[in-house]
Amino acid sequence: GQQVMQIPQYQHVQEGEDFTTYCNSSTTLSNIQWYKQRPGGHPVFLIQLVKSGEVKKQKRLTFQFGEAKKNSSLHITATQTTDVGTYFCAGRPTGTYKYIFGTGTRLKVLA
Amino acid sequence: EAGVAQSPRYKIIEKRQSVAFWCNPISGHATLYWYQQILGQGPKLLIQFQNNGVVDDSQLPKDRFSAERLKGVDSTLKIQPAKLEDSAVYLCASSLEGLDRVGDTFGSGTRLTVV
Repeated sequence: GQQVMQIPQYQHVQEGEDFTTYCNSSTTLSNIQWYKQRPGGHPVFLIQLVKSGEVKKQKRLTFQFGEAKKNSSLHITATQTTDVGTYFCAGRPTGTYKYIFGTGTRLKVLA
Repeated sequence: EAGVAQSPRYKIIEKRQSVAFWCNPISGHATLYWYQQILGQGPKLLIQFQNNGVVDDSQLPKDRFSAERLKGVDSTLKIQPAKLEDSAVYLCASSLEGLDRVGDTFGSGTRLTVV
């Protein structure tokens, strides 16, 4: 079946260091979304990418959609303790209407 | 705007018992989703409604799970009978439909523990 994998599963960084999580789909995606889930909380929508090779920025966060529309990445510059949480990508396989969530990357930031 | 409302927040039941969860989506959101999130995993779509019709329920264990959205607004998800492996957080989400859909808004979820 269609799968969306994320690496790494966990990442511990010192405050101020950069962080990147990678999302890989087994099938081509129409678009991809990113969500953040704080510990004990629910997923909160961050951004959606639609075009091949698209890059979007939100302050210290940079999102990229791969040229083949099968992978994506989220990069955080100079992490802060408020960045703690699990980051999920959710891809919509081409020709479908539902999103498949990735396995998530859990980020811990050490002060 | 008000968010997606879910109740109860927590529920503990014994295996083989039944349980129901309730969700009220954001006003005007035609699409409603129920997700199951097992600890340490990403949310898994159980069922998707468009107004009061089912769009996708391919991952809903229909022998024990049922869901309805009779008037195209709020929805209930039921499990009967519950199994130990049903312990998870059940998240409801809603979104605008079609091309206007950009991101889903999730409720706070119901944490179910089956003992």
